[in-house]
Order: sequence, then structure tokens, then C-alpha cells
Amino acid sequence: EPEVTQTPSHQVTQMGQEVILRCVPISNHLYFYWYRQILGQKVEFLVSFYNNEISEKSEIFDDQFSVERPDGSNFTLKIRSTKLEDSAMYFCASRVGLSSGNTIYFGEGSWLTVV
Amino acid sequence: GENVEQHPSTLSVQEGDSAVIKCTYSDSASNYFPWYKQELGKRPQLIINIRSNVGEKKDQRIAVTLNKTAKHFSLHITETQPEDSAVYFCAARSRSGTYKYIFGTGTRLKVLA
Repeated sequence: EPEVTQTPSHQVTQMGQEVILRCVPISNHLYFYWYRQILGQKVEFLVSFYNNEISEKSEIFDDQFSVERPDGSNFTLKIRSTKLEDSAMYFCASRVGLSSGNTIYFGEGSWLTVV
Repeated sequence: GENVEQHPSTLSVQEGDSAVIKCTYSDSASNYFPWYKQELGKRPQLIINIRSNVGEKKDQRIAVTLNKTAKHFSLHITETQPEDSAVYFCAARSRSGTYKYIFGTGTRLKVLA
């Protein structure tokens, strides 16, 4: 069964450093998402991406965050200058499309620790 | 704004008993309600979903009910087993915007053997 894959699985970074989290969505999917889950808390929406542009973002997704689809397969989340409160599990997700697929499929997550 | 409330935050049941988790959503445009099970350190896994044109759906020991008027939906697990122990999240998908999911705060279910 196709899966959303994410790298790295775990990254430790110094506060103020830039971090790039990578995702490979399921190949025929058109909608891509990043969600965040702080330890012990709920899964929070960050951003959605469709047709090579951001289609929606939450208030969490400020100027420190950016997303990119640099080629036909990868989807990246960049945090420009990490803060302690950015420590969380970051999930990438993808979905087929509007008419045929309601379900979003999550990757295994990238656990980011900012020290 | 869009919000999903989920109760209880923790639930302990004896093996074989039933467990019920309840969610309430605020966005009346929501039309799809998935439930996810998340084991420690793992990704959320879809276990069941329901669309707004259906009142109830069942899959073996798991069932979901939806009351659109009250904007409530619930997860029912019967004959619980220790492997059902996990955190369960409800979510509501809005029909507006980019169809993002808004998640509930999660319920930690412990099934006691």
C-alpha cells in the first residue's frame, strides 16, 4: 500500500537554526498538508498546498515557516529560525483530490527537538 | 473559528466492556468526520469515518454515530481488547477552504486486562 514518507524521523537542532523537513506524498495525490503535534497535545493544522501554492494556512504558520515542492515528488517544510516552542512532531499528509478522496494519509512524522 | 471538542480526555475500561468517545464540532459546513487511532510515537491511523449524509456506520467492533442537528458525533468500541489502548482523535473536515481537518483534543483509552 502506498505511504507518505518523511525524513528525518528525528532531528535535534540548536535554537535559531534553520530546519528542513522532507516529505514524499503518495504519488497520485494532489493535496498536501503539514500538521504539528506538540507532545501530549492534539494534532494542529499548519498549512495546505495545492497546485504548487499555499491554499490555506493557520495562525501558527507565520513568516518563519515556508513550504515548497521543489520537484515532482518532494514536499518540504522549512523553519527559518527555530524556537524552543517549535519542538513537536511534524506530520506531512496528502489526499487524492476533492471529488474522490476525503481521507488524508499521514506520514510517520518527523520529531523536531529544539535545544 | 472552527473548533472540535472531544470528551473524555482519558477513559479506562475493563476488557470486554464498551467505550464511547464524544465530539462536538462548530463549523456547520463540516461534512466528513474521521476517527484516528494513534499509538505512542506513531502516526494517526484512520479507523473509521462517516459522511454528513449518514447517521451511523459500523465496522466490526467499531461504530460511529452522527447527529448533524446537534453537531455531535461519537465513536463506540464494543468488546474492548488491550490492543485498543491508544489515543483516539476525532476530526471534522470543513467543506469550505481547502478541506483541512480540525482535530479534537484526543482521548487516551486504557483497556484494563
